[in-house]
Amino acid sequence: SAVISQKPSRDICQRGTSLTIQCQVDSQVTMMFWYRQQPGQSLTLIATANQGSEATYESGFVIDKFPISRPNLTFSTLTVSNMSPEDSSIYLCSAYLFGEGEKLFFGSGTQLSVL
Amino acid sequence: RKEVEQDPGPFNVPEGATVAFNCTYSNSASQSFFWYRQDCRKEPKLLMSVYSSGNEDGRFTAQLNRASQYISLLIRDSKLSDSATYLCVVPGMDSSYKLIFGSGTRLLVRP
Repeated sequence: SAVISQKPSRDICQRGTSLTIQCQVDSQVTMMFWYRQQPGQSLTLIATANQGSEATYESGFVIDKFPISRPNLTFSTLTVSNMSPEDSSIYLCSAYLFGEGEKLFFGSGTQLSVL
Repeated sequence: RKEVEQDPGPFNVPEGATVAFNCTYSNSASQSFFWYRQDCRKEPKLLMSVYSSGNEDGRFTAQLNRASQYISLLIRDSKLSDSATYLCVVPGMDSSYKLIFGSGTRLLVRP
């Protein structure tokens, strides 16, 4: 299994500002992902965080709005840029562990409210 | 057809009841499937993985029907603590490691 520490756990931000969310895994993982969960909805994949290269974004998400860093195999950040109230959501970091019982682990999430 | 679809519920059942959720998926090439549980204001946590025809873990049974492209989750002898949202999860079309989450089925177990 893996332990994923994500911070901040919550924040309230003014529109037009940016917030960087950090995700630390307690072991080296090949694949890390960022998801968004809007109120009352399920999880939507934002991007795959690739170690040492640019993230791979899903349809509807762009690098300018959601820049992602992945400097090594245990750490990633997601920035929500130029925020608007529509960005209010829970953002979840996740890591995919291979091998026996492979599965996707999640951080505890960041609840973002944009005023 | 959506990549994964679930009945949103809620399912409101008494303690001790048996309840089943279904989930349909569109990618016929998918090999692995998952059921995650999400409690209110918490992150999703893996409940069961399904790689072949099915899987059983205590009161929980997951079954896979590849011909009809659906997965089911059966909960026997429901407990109050089973109240949560259950997410059906399937691999994405372009990568088996990019997991696609269903909208979730909400379960309420009442005393």
